[in-house]
Amino acid sequence: RKEVEQDPGPFNVPEGATVAFNCTYSNSASQSFFWYRQDCRKEPKLLMSVYSSGNEDGRFTAQLNRASQYISLLIRDSKLSDSATYLCVVNTHGSSNTGKLIFGQGTTLQVKP
Amino acid sequence: DAGVIQSPRHEVTEMGQEVTLRCKPISGHDYLFWYRQTMMRGLELLIYFNNNVPIDDSGMPEDRFSAKMPNASFSTLKIQPSEPRDSAVYFCASSLDALTGRETQYFGPGTRLLVL
Repeated sequence: RKEVEQDPGPFNVPEGATVAFNCTYSNSASQSFFWYRQDCRKEPKLLMSVYSSGNEDGRFTAQLNRASQYISLLIRDSKLSDSATYLCVVNTHGSSNTGKLIFGQGTTLQVKP
Repeated sequence: DAGVIQSPRHEVTEMGQEVTLRCKPISGHDYLFWYRQTMMRGLELLIYFNNNVPIDDSGMPEDRFSAKMPNASFSTLKIQPSEPRDSAVYFCASSLDALTGRETQYFGPGTRLLVL
């Protein structure tokens, strides 16, 4: 079983739609959670961190459910420019000052006019 | 403010040749990561350094791969000899720290490697 699992999609949605991505992680000791965005033929970039209480950044809302080991990303009023691959990322800290990010395979979103 | 710098951006080589990828992390970042990305396997961590010291190289595929970080501003990933299955995009990333709140990784633009 992969440490971080995502539905690869693609999700094809019209402009203005609301779309949600889900992600599950296997290590219950995971401590930090993120969504990264990767445009075609570009490098991944941090979209937002995910906090236990849930957090919002404009049209983007991230939720974390530690009990179910589940992370979600909701995009409202989707724009053409939201078309990208969204990577679910988990950090499991080892001993102090160690840790590495585990990336999911990514979910591809294509927003159509 | 310069981000992570990688060179070359593209590399085409023949099987059996040595390939050297280079990375300059963001100044002041103590962590440096090397990743490989393919369609089949996604983004895989190969190795990471803390203060120039390799911490975890469990992702390095085999002995043909080696990585060094001789100083805080430079790292190399070497493949010798290269094989067609090494064709991928290789990313370098750096972060301030590994502690919660400071572990955001900033990626370079990647090196697209094609081994014929």
